[in-house]
Amino acid sequence: EAGVVQSPRYKIIEKKQPVAFWCNPISGHNTLYWYLQNLGQGPELLIRYENEEAVDDSQLPKDRFSAERLKGVDSTLKIQPAELGDSAVYLCASSSTGESSPLHFGNGTRLTVT
Amino acid sequence: DAKTTQPTSMDCAEGRAANLPCNHSTISGNEYVYWYRQIHSQGPQYIIHGLKNNETNEMASLIITEDRKSSTLILPHATLRDTAVYYCIVRVAGSGGGADGLTFGKGTHLIIQP
Repeated sequence: EAGVVQSPRYKIIEKKQPVAFWCNPISGHNTLYWYLQNLGQGPELLIRYENEEAVDDSQLPKDRFSAERLKGVDSTLKIQPAELGDSAVYLCASSSTGESSPLHFGNGTRLTVT
Repeated sequence: DAKTTQPTSMDCAEGRAANLPCNHSTISGNEYVYWYRQIHSQGPQYIIHGLKNNETNEMASLIITEDRKSSTLILPHATLRDTAVYYCIVRVAGSGGGADGLTFGKGTHLIIQP
């Protein structure tokens, strides 16, 4: 079974530029999550999707961050414009339907904003 | 805030059993205990989870106390590749669709010594 696939693996941009991250979840997983991880900290939830619906986006900074999962499979997370403080690892995870189904994570995209 | 308390770091000799404790004294009846680990430059890796009973899989064993206020993750024969940050997380079981995302704390940095 293929795991969660994220791309790119690394991204370096200048501040004020836009950036996008892509995630392909495990086949059949209806729930998709985006997390942010700062250096030395645990991951923090940004948004959760059930199929194509964002059911929890309370932690997503909506002034500059947006996400979509148009067909209920792949997802894209965008930042526009990026700020220096956005430098972090952006992780995607997915899980199947089930009351205790574990999340499975990709290896993330490491963003550096200069 | 995370609902669990873990030691910041632990050492274990290669080949010995690594026992990682976790305190979750405020756990509710419908919350599962999950364990993940994160190796440098990778996404969190699911290890095991349980509700009341002890659980074992090919990676580890999970021992949950009878009052459910604490648990121990056991890696039976630690190797150098087990060096990682280990996260203990409690999570409410979902109903119908996927459950809420995981709330990570700072975890335990386990160092396996040769």
